[in-house]
Amino acid sequence: EAGVAQSPRYKIIEKRQSVAFWCNPISGHATLYWYQQILGQGPKLLIQFQNNGVVDDSQLPKDRFSAERLKGVDSTLKIQPAKLEDSAVYLCASSSRPLAGPSTDTQYFGPGTRLTVL
Amino acid sequence: GENVEQHPSTLSVQEGDSAVIKCTYSDSASNYFPWYKQELGKRPQLIIDIRSNVGEKKDQRIAVTLNKTAKHFSLHITETQPEDSAVYFCAASSGGADGLTFGKGTHLIIQP
Repeated sequence: EAGVAQSPRYKIIEKRQSVAFWCNPISGHATLYWYQQILGQGPKLLIQFQNNGVVDDSQLPKDRFSAERLKGVDSTLKIQPAKLEDSAVYLCASSSRPLAGPSTDTQYFGPGTRLTVL
Repeated sequence: GENVEQHPSTLSVQEGDSAVIKCTYSDSASNYFPWYKQELGKRPQLIIDIRSNVGEKKDQRIAVTLNKTAKHFSLHITETQPEDSAVYFCAASSGGADGLTFGKGTHLIIQP
């Protein structure tokens, strides 16, 4: 089973520029998450999708961050304009709830995109 | 919202000894508690998880205990090996595929 895919793996931009990250979840996973992991800290949830609808975006800085999952599969996260404090690894994760049997909450993470804002 | 505290931030143990990492959470509605291992430059990998209807779970050298009354849970690693060196994160959620709230991580160092 293929894992969560993310691109690009690394990105360096100047402050005030824009940047976009892409995520392809595990096939069949309805729930997709974007986390921000600043160096030395644990991941912080930015936004959660269930299929193509937003479940939780309470910690997303909406003045500069946006995300979409138009067809309920791939997702993009955009930052415009970027600030120095946005330098972090952006992790995408996915999970699924099976139709039968015990529920599972296991979240599988992608390799992340390391963003450096200069 | 949920708040997860994790201690210690750094833990150094001799190879073969046991390691214990402790976490507390604030939201009594949380019922799912996973532990992730993250090696330098790599993605977080789930190593064990526990749900609120279970007090303890074990998988080979790794065990997790949960005390819902006290709102704390712990990771126990026995017979530590060099490959156990990594950063370990605890997390909590209310389940149902809800987003996770992570602790700040514990850097586990296994001394040869």
